[in-house]
Amino acid sequence: EVQLVESGGGLVQPGGSLRLSCAASGFTFRNYDINWVRQAPGKGLEWVSYISSSSNTIYYAASVKGRITISRDNAKNSLYLQMHSLRAEDTAIYYCARVRAAYSFDYWGQGTLVTVSS
Amino acid sequence: QSALTQPRSVSGSPGQSVTISCTGSSSDVGGYNYVSWYQQHPGKAPKLMIYDVSKWPSGVPDRFSGSKSGNTASLTISGLQAEDEADYYCCSYAGTYTWVFGGGTKLTVL
Repeated sequence: EVQLVESGGGLVQPGGSLRLSCAASGFTFRNYDINWVRQAPGKGLEWVSYISSSSNTIYYAASVKGRITISRDNAKNSLYLQMHSLRAEDTAIYYCARVRAAYSFDYWGQGTLVTVSS
Repeated sequence: QSALTQPRSVSGSPGQSVTISCTGSSSDVGGYNYVSWYQQHPGKAPKLMIYDVSKWPSGVPDRFSGSKSGNTASLTISGLQAEDEADYYCCSYAGTYTWVFGGGTKLTVL
């Protein structure tokens, strides 16, 4: 069974940092591209970042570029999102989502909540 | 990138059909046949319902169908059931490994 399990969310002050993790199981992690997608409370989905299977290709949404770094460790079947200079508007549930062959997201984790507040 | 435009809400009675529209631009919806649709129940993760505009992932009933014309994609749900009540999001590939989502549509089954 394909599983993605996010962790690392929590309460952080504006300007602070946080590192999210996504643990994958049930599939050959190193063969798949992965994305981070977030959802502010009561709001819609927002694509955040993409990383290719080999980490050769990485992209970020304009809203987070320069403040967020995506990475992965295929030996540990894990994906990461390092976030810096956090703002109130970064408050959201952060999901990791596997990319299927045709540019859609076929499996999602349950999400981890990041709250940026003083 | 601007979010794709979806109606905030739609409704229908059990057994009826509803259609949710998703309007973008030639840079996303109109430029690629990579529109996908996601169902999200409260407190749950999104679930892929349609990919590549009109294809079904394994396990999704064919009551859900997708289409596209120009810069607008549509999701049609026929034979509405109570469990279809949820939020629905469209998503389009926007080139160079970037994606854009719609604002979401709340489906109410009356």
